[in-house]
Amino acid sequence: EPEVTQTPSHQVTQMGQEVILRCVPISNHLYFYWYRQILGQKVEFLVSFYNNEISEKSEIFDDQFSVERPDGSNFTLKIRSTKLEDSAMYFCASSEDRGEQFFGPGTRLTVL
Amino acid sequence: GENVEQHPSTLSVQEGDSAVIKCTYSDSASNYFPWYKQELGKGPQLIIDIRSNVGEKKDQRIAVTLNKTAKHFSLHITETQPEDSAVYFCAASGGGAGANNLFFGTGTRLTVIP
Repeated sequence: EPEVTQTPSHQVTQMGQEVILRCVPISNHLYFYWYRQILGQKVEFLVSFYNNEISEKSEIFDDQFSVERPDGSNFTLKIRSTKLEDSAMYFCASSEDRGEQFFGPGTRLTVL
Repeated sequence: GENVEQHPSTLSVQEGDSAVIKCTYSDSASNYFPWYKQELGKGPQLIIDIRSNVGEKKDQRIAVTLNKTAKHFSLHITETQPEDSAVYFCAASGGGAGANNLFFGTGTRLTVIP
């Protein structure tokens, strides 16, 4: 069964460093998303991506964040200058249409 | 924007009993309501969903009901088993321009006691 994959599973970085989180969505899906989940809290929407551009973004997704689909299969989230409060689980999701979203296993980002 | 409230935050039931988790939403334009199960260290897994043109949907031991007028929806799990223990999240989305962004509830930690 096709699934969303994410790498790395755990990323540790120093405050102020840039990180890139990678995702491979399900191959025939057209919509891509990033969510984050701070420990013990609910899953929060960051950004959605369709037709090679951002569809919507939340208040969390400020100028420090960017997304890219560099090669037709990967979908990346870049945080330019990480802050302590960026520590969270980051989930990638994809969907074929405006319906079921399938989530990856997540990347745990720890900012020291 | 959409605001989803979820209750209870924790729920313990005896194996074989039923579990009910309730959510309310604020945006009357929301039209898609999925439920996700999240096990420790894993991403959310879709277990059932319902659209606003349907009042109830059932899949084996799991059912979801939707009351559009009251803007609330519920997850019902019957004949609970220990493997049902997990955190359950409800979500809502409005289907506006672009993709369907999910707004999640705060989660319910379900514990099924053998």
